[in-house]
Amino acid sequence: DQQVKQNSPSLSVQEGRISILNCDYTNSMFDYFLWYKKYPAEGPTFLISISSIKDKNEDGRFTVFLNKSAKHLSLHIVPSQPGDSAVYFCAASEGNTDKLIFGTGTRLQVFP
Amino acid sequence: DVKVTQSSRYLVKRTGEKVFLECVQDMDHENMFWYRQDPGLGLRLIYFSYDVKMKEKGDIPEGYSVSREKKERFSLILESASTNQTSMYLCATRQGDSPLHFGNGTRLTVT
Repeated sequence: DQQVKQNSPSLSVQEGRISILNCDYTNSMFDYFLWYKKYPAEGPTFLISISSIKDKNEDGRFTVFLNKSAKHLSLHIVPSQPGDSAVYFCAASEGNTDKLIFGTGTRLQVFP
Repeated sequence: DVKVTQSSRYLVKRTGEKVFLECVQDMDHENMFWYRQDPGLGLRLIYFSYDVKMKEKGDIPEGYSVSREKKERFSLILESASTNQTSMYLCATRQGDSPLHFGNGTRLTVT
């Protein structure tokens, strides 16, 4: 049973526009969430995180929003750039622990 | 910067072979992990280790074992490879509350 779901396998966005990647979770005990980015032939790299005491965290062009009541988080990339084209994984855990549960990933393509 | 090195980028093995996947890190991190990545399933945790000679099962340990004889090295062992173990294998490290640092992965094909 997938506890962390990314229902959109792919997303295509024009350069300069906003990219919104979504993630839903089912376990109400999850209280720490992360986004990772993965280029082909490379390992995932950490992008941004948020704990459940906040509903928004921002880092440059990347903002993560958390809606605890809906068990939903989203990653906004503004403005999108071609270099953002990658697979994005959300992940969740109970506390900032070692047992992360990853979503299935969304492939983002940013075209000129 | 943390460097996590996986010894092989690509491996092709036959069903029934014993397979070793090696991972070495250079930043003295305590915790090391093995994940596999499959289309439509994301990343799933196989095993992790908090210290030398210590190991903990992840979510899908069946068919795998691990070895951590030195702090910097964490090996994943497939005792008898099967075709359903064809996958991308990712090693990662972590220190304290920091995010995971991943290696570039080993794509294993079992025929």
